Amino acid sequence: GAVVSQHPSWVICKSGTSVKIECRSLDFQATTMFWYRQFPKQSLMLMATSNEGSKATYEQGVEKDKFLINHASLTLSTLTVTSAHPEDSSFYICSAGLGAGVFHEQYFGPGTRLTVT
Amino acid sequence: QKEVEQNSGPLSVPEGAIASLNCTYSDRGSQSFFWYRQYSGKSPELIMSIYSNGDKEDGRFTAQLNKASQYVSLLIRDSQPSDSATYLCAVRLGDTGRRALTFGSGTRLQVQP
Repeated sequence: GAVVSQHPSWVICKSGTSVKIECRSLDFQATTMFWYRQFPKQSLMLMATSNEGSKATYEQGVEKDKFLINHASLTLSTLTVTSAHPEDSSFYICSAGLGAGVFHEQYFGPGTRLTVT
Repeated sequence: QKEVEQNSGPLSVPEGAIASLNCTYSDRGSQSFFWYRQYSGKSPELIMSIYSNGDKEDGRFTAQLNKASQYVSLLIRDSQPSDSATYLCAVRLGDTGRRALTFGSGTRLQVQP
């Protein structure tokens, strides 16, 4: 149980283009999903918290106009990297939340490796 | 002071030994604590959650929580080479109702065959 998928698993795009990454909870409904970025040999950095049907909450320093998040349903959240640049190349990982209150747990998708050329 | 601190390692243990991973956190009001395992190039995998003081066992894994001392630990018994990974401690800090987790930088564990 608690399976989260991401698509695509890797993507290469040209500088200036946009890339959309999908995150799906396959066997549960997630009112909250999270988007992280991880650079090589560094820890996870939370980018934003996404709640179904409402605007995402972005962490300090994350450009909301560059990283567009849509949480259209209880099983799907998307992250669009707009006008991507080489410095946006990273490992993007989503997680989906299950449970309530203090027992709310996060389950991660397999991640999307983005390379901007 | 970092909000969630872990020794970066590497922690090297021989196969069959007990690996002990430690984590301290800054916010005394925190109530939810998690251990994730992350293999190189992969995403984190939830292996343990703990919410009350004391020990919680699941197979070869035991999580220990001491809220008074603000630390949480993970013991791995009978360590196997396949346990070699980075172990991330995650804490839901404080009592604000915020669901986001704060992650430590991780401890790299190496189990020597």
